[in-house]
Amino acid sequence: DQQVKQNSPSLSVQEGRISILNCDYTNSMFDYFLWYKKYPAEGPTFLISISSIKDKNEDGRFTVFLNKSAKHLSLHIVPSQPGDSAVYFCAAVVNFGNEKLTFGTGTRLTIIP
Amino acid sequence: DAGVIQSPRHEVTEMGQEVTLRCKPISGHNSLFWYRQTMMRGLELLIYFNNNVPIDDSGMPEDRFSAKMPNASFSTLKIQPSEPRDSAVYFCASSLRLGAVDTQYFGPGTRLTVL
Repeated sequence: DQQVKQNSPSLSVQEGRISILNCDYTNSMFDYFLWYKKYPAEGPTFLISISSIKDKNEDGRFTVFLNKSAKHLSLHIVPSQPGDSAVYFCAAVVNFGNEKLTFGTGTRLTIIP
Repeated sequence: DAGVIQSPRHEVTEMGQEVTLRCKPISGHNSLFWYRQTMMRGLELLIYFNNNVPIDDSGMPEDRFSAKMPNASFSTLKIQPSEPRDSAVYFCASSLRLGAVDTQYFGPGTRLTVL
């Protein structure tokens, strides 16, 4: 039973354009959401997060949007750069401060030069 | 400053053999996590420790899996006996304190193949 779903296993985007990665969740108790980025042969690294009390959080080229009613969040990267090519994992947690992250299956983003 | 160190990076073994994965967390970090990554299920939390004490092992799939943390700088994840369905990438992560979900630092992982 996958509580966090990333339905697109892969995505290709032209350099300079916007990349949009999507994530859906089923557990309405989740109240904190995170995105991790993973390069080959490396562990995931934290990218950006959002609390359920917000609907948007921005950090440079990265913006995460949260739609609680739809149980959907998305990560926008603009402009996309070749170094953004990686696997992106969406994660969620019940009660920020809890340690039990629930991850999605990941989306492989390829930026085309 | 060294990050989380895992060994071996790759492990190939035959079904039925014992496998031991090792992790050295970042110095000063009090919490340690073991995850497993598969294509079908993504990253799953197996077990985590705080101050060397196991806090939650509900993610450990079977009794064949066990984890220990004998001291603040070392942890092991053992599978005995191993099965082909255990093939996955196993990550260790550490954080400064419990609850710091946005500051979990992951190691590079151990790719396990069970033939």
